[in-house]
Parts: sequence; structure tokens; C-alpha cells
Amino acid sequence: DTEVTQTPKHLVMGMTNKKSLKCEQHMGHRAMYWYKQKAKKPPELMFVYSYEKLSINESVPSRFSPECPNSSLLNLHLHALQPEDSALYLCASSQDRGYYEQYFGPGTRLTVT
Amino acid sequence: AQSVTQPDIHITVSEGASLELRCNYSYGATPYLFWYVQSPGQGLQLLLKYFSGDTLVQGIKGFEAEFKRSQSSFNLRKPSVHWSDAAEYFCAVGERRGSTLGRLYFGRGTQLTVWP
Repeated sequence: DTEVTQTPKHLVMGMTNKKSLKCEQHMGHRAMYWYKQKAKKPPELMFVYSYEKLSINESVPSRFSPECPNSSLLNLHLHALQPEDSALYLCASSQDRGYYEQYFGPGTRLTVT
Repeated sequence: AQSVTQPDIHITVSEGASLELRCNYSYGATPYLFWYVQSPGQGLQLLLKYFSGDTLVQGIKGFEAEFKRSQSSFNLRKPSVHWSDAAEYFCAVGERRGSTLGRLYFGRGTQLTVWP
């Protein structure tokens, strides 16, 4: 099974809402990633978790809060977002942080109103 | 820091024609090299990768890529394009060591349109 699942597929939220994005993989991978992708642009790395510890934070605003409760699950908690945060949020996983064969989920399309 | 250049924003080819997508990178040593494909509204799928060894690598869906160290290039090719190949293609590089281990650097992408 080489699948990374993400829920929800679509999310519309107001600027005062709190919501969470969820990502799950059952490939035994120990590295997980959050990316943000705007239309017609490449993915931008936000966070990297390695063995459930945050390894890389690409200076992401604190209104985005990642969490890795266990090796299979990755959450992204959202609070007080801005309209410019509307984007496709992609989750990925790899065997280890040094393994770049990253498997991507289908993404969550987020719209902030 | 790494940089990845995909000089072609948009390429249009006829179905059955050959395809070459260009990718150049800037890095002090040979990085890990990748091509990903993304269909509209979908995640990215790995087409192929180069770590070391044979400089011509085969991937899925009939794609291949050639690493040329002297030109810092990793161009993607396909001898005969199918309509289902229409998508966005991203070249990416990753560092082999250091604090940014695990960080992929993406090119801006090339949109491929296939005419029937």
C-alpha cells in the first residue's frame, strides 16, 4: 500500500475559525511533510517531521500548527487564517528524512473567506 | 542554496510526438534528482529519480531522463506522447547531507498540453 490519505478534500473556513487537516499513511514511513501549493506554482515546504519530531519549520506563521501524534498520522491545525492562505495543502511521506522518494497525498483544497 | 530551473513554462505537442522537458540545477555537488507529475487538483506522483550510477534512468509511464553532470541538467524525455500525459511536470533536487536533508527544491513547473 503506497497511499497517503488526506481529509478533508475541500475545506472552507472563515478567518476566525479553527480547523484541522489530517494526513495518514500506513507504509511504515518515519518522515512526513506538509507543503502548501498555490495555483500554477510548485509546492512550498512548510514542515518536516522525522520520527515524530519536528525537524524543519520553514518559518511558517504560527497560525499554522503541525502535530505528529504517531508515526502514521500528521495533522495541521489552522487558526485565524488569512485569505492569502487559500491554497492546496499537500501531505507527503518518505521512508526516512534522507529518502527523497516522497509519496504525496491528493491534497486538501483550502479556501479562507 | 539550491536552485532549479525549468525554462519552459508551457509546452504543446501532438499526440504521438516525442517530448523533452528541460531541467537545470545549481548545486556544488551532485544532488538527488527527481521528476514529478501532477494532474489538475491532484497530488504529485514520482516519475523517476537519479541517485547515482547509470546516467540514463527509466521511470514509469514510458518516461526516461538523462543526467548530464557537465551541463547540470536532468532532462525528461518520452518518445511518443499520449493524451493522458497532459499535466504539470516538476523537476526537483534534494541535498545529500546537511541540516536541510529532506528538503526538496522544486522548479517552477512545465505545463504540458497534448493535441489530439
